[in-house]
Amino acid sequence: DSGVTQTPKHLITATGQRVTLRCSPRSGDLSVYWYQQSLDQGLQFLIQYYNGEERAKGNILERFSAQQFPDLHSELNLSSLELGDSALYFCASSPLAGGGTDTQYFGPGTRLTVL
Amino acid sequence: AQKVTQAQTEISVVEKEDVTLDCVYETRDTTYYLFWYKQPPSGELVFLIRRNSFDEQNEISGRYSWNFQKSTSSFNFTITASQVVDSAVYFCALRKGNFNKFYFGSGTKLNVKP
Repeated sequence: DSGVTQTPKHLITATGQRVTLRCSPRSGDLSVYWYQQSLDQGLQFLIQYYNGEERAKGNILERFSAQQFPDLHSELNLSSLELGDSALYFCASSPLAGGGTDTQYFGPGTRLTVL
Repeated sequence: AQKVTQAQTEISVVEKEDVTLDCVYETRDTTYYLFWYKQPPSGELVFLIRRNSFDEQNEISGRYSWNFQKSTSSFNFTITASQVVDSAVYFCALRKGNFNKFYFGSGTKLNVKP
C-alpha cells in the first residue's frame, strides 16, 4: 500500500458526460501527478500540482482539468467524454516538487469506462 | 529527446527460473534518474527502485537485482528464482534531473508459471 488513495475504483459512464476523479496523496507529500494508462498509448503523464499550483503539464486534453486543494487532495475532471477516454487513471504523489531524488508513489488507479 | 525502450513485450518462465527484463534509454542529459515499477494484476503501480545517472553501482534487494550500464544506456532488472507472485507488468522509466515528467517504457509482461 503506497499511501495514495484514489476514488472511485471503477467508473462507468456514457459519452458526453463529465466525471471527477479524486486523489489523496501520501501524508506529507506536496506534489500530485495524474497519469492516463491506455492500451494504445501506454502510461502518459497528464499534469502535476505542487502545493496547490500547477507545476508541469503533459499530454492533457483541453476537455480535462485538474486542481489541488488546500488540504492537498486533488481532483481530475474529465468532460465531454469520448469512447477513447476509457482508461486507467493513476494519481501519484511525491514529497517535493519533483526532480532530484524525489520519487513518485502511485495510487491504485481509477478505471474509467465510457460507453 | 528522452525515450525508454522495453523490447520484450512478454516473457514466460517457469517458477524458480531466473529472468532478466531489459531496459534501454535515450537521453542527452548528464543528470537523470531511472526507475522500475511493478504493476501486478490488481493494477496498482509499485515503486521498486530509483537510480541516478552518477551511480553505476549494481544493486541487489533480495531476489531482485539491477544492472545499470551507462556505456550501453541500459538499466536491466533481474529476478532470481522467480515466483508466481512475480507475475506482473514491469515498467522502466526515465526522468530528467530537475524535471518532473516521467518517460515510461511500454512495459514487459512477466508470466511466472508454477
